[in-house]
Amino acid sequence: IAGITQAPTSQILAAGRRMTLRCTQDMRHNAMYWYRQDLGLGLRLIHYSNTAGTTGKGEVPDGYSVSRANTDDFPLTLASAVPSQTSVYFCASNRGGGDTQYFGPGTRLTVL
Amino acid sequence: GENVEQHPSTLSVQEGDSAVIKCTYSDSASNYFPWYKQELGKRPQLIIDIRSNVGEKKDQRIAVTLNKTAKHFSLHITETQPEDSAVYFCAASSDYGQNFVFGPGTRLSVLP
Repeated sequence: IAGITQAPTSQILAAGRRMTLRCTQDMRHNAMYWYRQDLGLGLRLIHYSNTAGTTGKGEVPDGYSVSRANTDDFPLTLASAVPSQTSVYFCASNRGGGDTQYFGPGTRLTVL
Repeated sequence: GENVEQHPSTLSVQEGDSAVIKCTYSDSASNYFPWYKQELGKRPQLIIDIRSNVGEKKDQRIAVTLNKTAKHFSLHITETQPEDSAVYFCAASSDYGQNFVFGPGTRLSVLP
């Protein structure tokens, strides 16, 4: 692994189903982030983690949960997916506040 | 919290002309200002950044200027080329991990 990876690349999901998006980085970055990007729009922060063991809510946290059991992994879970969660999801990481964020390749999620 | 505005939302220029995108921020504690380029279907990627102790930074055809007193910063692209066509995002960040806020983006089109 080099950098930051996400899985799956894309997913079509039935409404009401549970889904976990995976994010892994090998840069030993302290902080990790989840954003959603709706078609033609900007990046909105869902949840973040400043360091392993801690998480915080971003701008649009409802319907999503995260965990940060270790430095490398930051999974995002949709407990019961709804069509409004159709979006492209980007994971990002950096060493901490005031440092460049590096983005994963994204997961394109469609909820029907 | 921090609020970042970005103008214009769309910008069309002729190949070889210059392009300027401006951002304003609200939190005087912000001290790091990156610019990201996002090509269609790709992840945002850092193209240039500036910290609060510097007024200007240049990297080949790209430059960023910062006015901390007025709380605004700008991206300047000279001698534009068709491959510069993309969406550009500014961001402002302080030393607190959750305070990394993106602007809404500018869609730049360079016409051949």
